[in-house]
Amino acid sequence: AQSVTQLGSHVSVSEGALVLLRCNYSSSVPPYLFWYVQYPNQGLQLLLKYTSAATLVKGINGFEAEFKKSETSFHLTKPSAHMSDAAEYFCAVSGGSGGYQKVTFGTGTKLQVIP
Amino acid sequence: NAGVTQTPKFQVLKTGQSMTLQCAQDMNHEYMSWYRQDPGMGLRLIHYSVGAGITDQGEVPNGYNVSRSTTEDFPLRLLSAAPSQTSVYFCASRETVNSPLHFGNGTRLTVT
Repeated sequence: AQSVTQLGSHVSVSEGALVLLRCNYSSSVPPYLFWYVQYPNQGLQLLLKYTSAATLVKGINGFEAEFKKSETSFHLTKPSAHMSDAAEYFCAVSGGSGGYQKVTFGTGTKLQVIP
Repeated sequence: NAGVTQTPKFQVLKTGQSMTLQCAQDMNHEYMSWYRQDPGMGLRLIHYSVGAGITDQGEVPNGYNVSRSTTEDFPLRLLSAAPSQTSVYFCASRETVNSPLHFGNGTRLTVT
């Protein structure tokens, strides 16, 4: 089955610093990859998605992610963190031996932004 | 256009009680799913459906039943609630296999 690994359950960055949230996936077929954000006591919102077009994907709020097939990675970055970026971020994959019918999520990374 | 609507928002059950979590979407999406969210474990797939009349098990299906009689509705039934089912439950839908999921606002369930 497909799987997603998010390294680091908690990440702290200073306001204005680079944000890097890591995501590695396993899939035997070309995957569809997604990043979602969850603010406290809210549902999940889509940040960006990769569906086999450009490998560098730009999303909302200045976030972007690069699909690297050789590294089976889809890391999320933002050049300059803002206080409002404090949230939990989830990487998700569709595809692989589990098929495209299921979407599998990573365990999430909580981002803390220090003023 | 309401998107994905979940009811109730909060529920407290006693061990052994049954209940149904409702989920409805008005986007004519074929794919619908139920997830539970627990601290440190991300979202885990309970059951999913690829169209009316078609359902399948996800990662953690035990203790839950689903049915999909219409495209719009995908209720989740807890047959005999257990404390281990205390969680936040999310319903989601998507249009195609490469579309993003649209989530409801969640149901916070506590089983005592």
